[in-house]
Amino acid sequence: AQKITQTQPGMFVQEKEAVTLDCTYDTSDPSYGLFWYKQPSSGEMIFLIYQGSYDQQNATEGRYSLNFQKARKSANLVISASQLGDSAMYFCAMRRQGAQKLVFGQGTRLTINP
Amino acid sequence: DSGVTQTPKHLITATGQRVTLRCSPRSGDLSVYWYQQSLDQGLQFLIQYYNGEERAKGNILERFSAQQFPDLHSELNLSSLELGDSALYFCASSTNIAGALTDTQYFGPGTRLTVL
Repeated sequence: AQKITQTQPGMFVQEKEAVTLDCTYDTSDPSYGLFWYKQPSSGEMIFLIYQGSYDQQNATEGRYSLNFQKARKSANLVISASQLGDSAMYFCAMRRQGAQKLVFGQGTRLTINP
Repeated sequence: DSGVTQTPKHLITATGQRVTLRCSPRSGDLSVYWYQQSLDQGLQFLIQYYNGEERAKGNILERFSAQQFPDLHSELNLSSLELGDSALYFCASSTNIAGALTDTQYFGPGTRLTVL
């Protein structure tokens, strides 16, 4: 069975600082994908970034990057130069090869202070 | 804007009632997924349809059903509603390229259901 663990229920960061949101996962499948989503207070789920288990390089997407450590089964999201608009819930999710569903962690609530 | 639309945005109803949630996928996407987000269960996968056919089933109650129509829009029907069904219901869509892990699910804005 797959499991995603996000150990930080809440984080507070000063504007313009970098922030790392932790995500560890548990799976016995060799092939899987890892996803991060952002959920602002308005409720919608916004896709941020994807990392494949066989990708040699860490994924990057603008100010978002993924610190992927396969041996440690961690896929931490790094947000550089945080902005007030980054305040939201952030969810890490995984999908194994051949499966349709995403398995989500419990989320981390990020608050950016001015 | 993900391109996935969901209606209604909010729904308030009473226990025992039946409601229908509607979703239109992004243009070109053949797969539709339904998820439920509640405070106690988090985000849970309910069901997936691909080009009109049920493809995968998750933690969906027997009181719930879904379908995908020829124009690819999908409806989630919730019946005999209970207080515990109050949640945010998301629809997501993807191209569902067979075997591609990069197949990303894009979520709609959600329908917030309140059962009183």
